[in-house]
Amino acid sequence: QKEVEQDPGPLSVPEGAIVSLNCTYSNSAFQYFMWYRQYSRKGPELLMYTYSSGNKEDGRFTAQVDKSSKYISLFIRDSQPSDSATYLCAMKDAGNMLTFGGGTRLMVKP
Amino acid sequence: DSGVTQTPKHLITATGQRVTLRCSPRSGDLSVYWYQQSLDQGLQFLIQYYNGEERAKGNILERFSAQQFPDLHSELNLSSLELGDSALYFCASSVASLPDTQYFGPGTRLTVL
Repeated sequence: QKEVEQDPGPLSVPEGAIVSLNCTYSNSAFQYFMWYRQYSRKGPELLMYTYSSGNKEDGRFTAQVDKSSKYISLFIRDSQPSDSATYLCAMKDAGNMLTFGGGTRLMVKP
Repeated sequence: DSGVTQTPKHLITATGQRVTLRCSPRSGDLSVYWYQQSLDQGLQFLIQYYNGEERAKGNILERFSAQQFPDLHSELNLSSLELGDSALYFCASSVASLPDTQYFGPGTRLTVL
């Protein structure tokens, strides 16, 4: 079993929908949680960075961490076709090594 | 554009060969990270250098090695290549020694035939 699990999708939604992307993890030492967006044939781009449990909002994006359930989420409001990409969760403990989920491919249809 | 550059963009080579991938970090960034992304394994951390010194090691094979030079650019050397080494190789950089805020380059696509 992988340390970080993420549904690969694809997830197809209509434009304007609220999107929910999720990851579960098994390592209770993970304290820092990130979401990356990766467009086709490009490098990942950091979207959200959170520490510990709770919510963090940035524009149309909200990251949520529930450490008790070992579950993190990324919500995208008013989704746009330009949000179509693969979304990767990543997490780490106090050290230097990021562990990534396998990514969820999102398609937002006009 | 993240400011991280990687060369070459594409590389096609044969099994048993050796290749070198190059990365230039963003101006001012001292840390360089190397990742491998394949369909079956996803994005995996290989190794990190901070200001010329190895700082962290992930799932890097013994056939692979890296270094960071005084001008802070980094090279990843892959030798005795196997078909399974075909993947996207990303470099990322950050100011500090922790990867919490890192910027990825566009990647090098390696195909081993």
